[in-house]
Amino acid sequence: NAGVTQTPKFQVLKTGQSMTLQCAQDMNHNSMYWYRQDPGMGLRLIYYSASEGTTDKGEVPNGYNVSRLNKREFSLRLESAAPSQTSVYFCASSRDRGVSYEQYFGPGTRLTVT
Amino acid sequence: QKEVEQDPGPLSVPEGAIVSLNCTYSNSAFQYFMWYRQYSRKGPELLMYTYSSGNKEDGRFTAQVDKSSKYISLFIRDSQPSDSATYLCATLNTGGFKTIFGAGTRLFVKA
Repeated sequence: NAGVTQTPKFQVLKTGQSMTLQCAQDMNHNSMYWYRQDPGMGLRLIYYSASEGTTDKGEVPNGYNVSRLNKREFSLRLESAAPSQTSVYFCASSRDRGVSYEQYFGPGTRLTVT
Repeated sequence: QKEVEQDPGPLSVPEGAIVSLNCTYSNSAFQYFMWYRQYSRKGPELLMYTYSSGNKEDGRFTAQVDKSSKYISLFIRDSQPSDSATYLCATLNTGGFKTIFGAGTRLFVKA
C-alpha cells in the first residue's frame, strides 16, 4: 500500500515550457487535490476533484489545468511555465466525496522555473 | 487579512519542554480544526483534529479550540527531538470545499 505517489520528485523547466505532474493513490479515495506550498504562504489549493469526472478550481488555478483520469489518478498540467510557478507541489486524497478534514499527502514535486 | 494566521517561528526548545503552537482564524463558519505535521522534504500528515470547540488529547499532544476568540492551539508535552518538524494548522467549514492552511510553524527540539 503505497498511499499517494507523485512523479517526478524534482523538475527544472525553462520559462514557456510545459509539463505534467502525475499523482496516483491506491486507497480507493474519492476526492483528490493539488496544492502548492510556498515559503510564508502555507498550502494553497490549486484544483480539487470530488470524484472521477469532476474538477473544481481552488484558490490559485491560473496557469494550471487538471485531469481526473480515473479514480486513482489526478494530473496537473502547466501549459506555459512561469518563474512564479516555482514551488513545491503536493497531491492529496481523502476518502469522502467532498472535502475532508483528513487528507493524505504525497511526497511532493519540487519545481523550479528559470 | 489571511483567513488563518500562524507564526512561522522558528521555535527552538530543549528536549522535555512543553511546546505551545498557536493559530488564529477569522471565519466563524469554520467547524473543523486540524493540525498537520510536516517533516523536512515530506508531505504533511494529519496529527489531530477537533470539531467545534473544546480539547482533544492524544498521548503527548493536546489540541484546543476556543471559538469565542477564534484561537487554535496545539500543546506538546515532554517534547522529543523527533517532534522537530513544521506544524500546520488548518480549518474547514462543513459544506465548504476548501481547507485553509496556516503558513506553518517550524519547531526544533534540541537533545
